[in-house]
Amino acid sequence: ETGVTQTPRHLVMGMTNKKSLKCEQHLGHNAMYWYKQSAKKPLELMFVYNFKEQTENNSVPSRFSPECPNSSHLFLHLHTLQPEDSALYLCASSLAHLAGGSDTQYFGPGTRLTVL
Amino acid sequence: DAKTTQPTSMDCAEGRAANLPCNHSTISGNEYVYWYRQIHSQGPQYIIHGLKNNETNEMASLIITEDRKSSTLILPHATLRDTAVYYCIVRVSASGTYKYIFGTGTRLKVLA
Repeated sequence: ETGVTQTPRHLVMGMTNKKSLKCEQHLGHNAMYWYKQSAKKPLELMFVYNFKEQTENNSVPSRFSPECPNSSHLFLHLHTLQPEDSALYLCASSLAHLAGGSDTQYFGPGTRLTVL
Repeated sequence: DAKTTQPTSMDCAEGRAANLPCNHSTISGNEYVYWYRQIHSQGPQYIIHGLKNNETNEMASLIITEDRKSSTLILPHATLRDTAVYYCIVRVSASGTYKYIFGTGTRLKVLA
């Protein structure tokens, strides 16, 4: 247990559905992250929230919409996804997303998403 | 692009030390080296990190060469549960923040 939980663990959705992924951290951290891990590809950073403000969006399509209502919760809202969006979606948290020091990210177990 | 190069796969006998190498020849002076591992279809698990000095914790030891161009993760007594993909990551600073640049990792198989 890393202190970062994700729900659901598995999700199957059609291309016209709307669904949301949830992440919660119990570590008192101030930064939260969404990553995507497709089959046989390295982890790709999608979004970063630092102190509830979105600080990075790595050219993610608008069909993925993040929300961070407080520093403990992070959502990823999904709509009109494509089959190529099928992947493992990972949430992580860290003390603060700043360059100084040795900020360490702790990952949740992930949500395995399948888009039909 | 990843700033690290790792062997694609390695085997290790149970109970023996597993030594996982990583090359990061373009690392800058203030960039940390991090190691994570990922057991099949789970989230990456933090193992250890370092800047210049060797580091040790309850999971592993990290040996960084003096020129910082390579490092080795050592699992002192590998068990079957250590079978996983191990990622060596350089934490790259950018505009007051940082990025983890993940590569494809080393698939370690611990053999009984």
